[in-house]
Amino acid sequence: AQSVAQPEDQVNVAEGNPLTVKCTYSVSGNPYLFWYVQYPNRGLQFLLKYITGDNLVKGSYGFEAEFNKSQTSFHLKKPSALVSDSALYFCAVRDEEAAGNKLTFGGGTRVLVKP
Amino acid sequence: DAGVTQSPTHLIKTRGQQVTLRCSPKSGHDTVSWYQQALGQGPQFIFQYYEEEERQRGNFPDRFSGHQFPNYSSELNVNALLLGDSALYLCASSPTGQGGYTFGSGTRLTVV
Repeated sequence: AQSVAQPEDQVNVAEGNPLTVKCTYSVSGNPYLFWYVQYPNRGLQFLLKYITGDNLVKGSYGFEAEFNKSQTSFHLKKPSALVSDSALYFCAVRDEEAAGNKLTFGGGTRVLVKP
Repeated sequence: DAGVTQSPTHLIKTRGQQVTLRCSPKSGHDTVSWYQQALGQGPQFIFQYYEEEERQRGNFPDRFSGHQFPNYSSELNVNALLLGDSALYLCASSPTGQGGYTFGSGTRLTVV
């Protein structure tokens, strides 16, 4: 079975400071990892994904994530947060070896960037 | 290039009724998945359709059923609605293989 944990319900950060949102995962095979952002009353917006290759993945809006196989983590980072980054962030995993390609999501982390 | 389109955006149903939600996938995508997102939670996988057949199913009762049409669009049907079915229902489309998933804006279902 595949699972995702986002240990922080909420992250508060001042505008201009670095932002980190934590994610750990569990799969049987190789993981495909994703980050999505959700604004109020909206669907999920894709930020970035890791399939294979470089452990540091660069995505949309200045976000990046680092895949760490030994720690089974895929933390989302942004060097300088903006007030407009305030939203709900979801980490998701797909098991390469599992039949089908369903995504399993974490419970989400709310990010609040204060001016 | 249109992304994933879902309809309706909002609806209110009475307990015990039936509802049908619709999804048009992104151009070039042949796989459609449905997710339920309860308030304050992450999306939960309902099922996935590929080549007009249900390929994978999550832990949802048989009251939840679906269909995929030859043009890859899909419907989600929920029978005998319960108050607990109130949620945001998200449709995601993806191409065969390692491609990414594109989500629609969702349908907000309220059961009263």
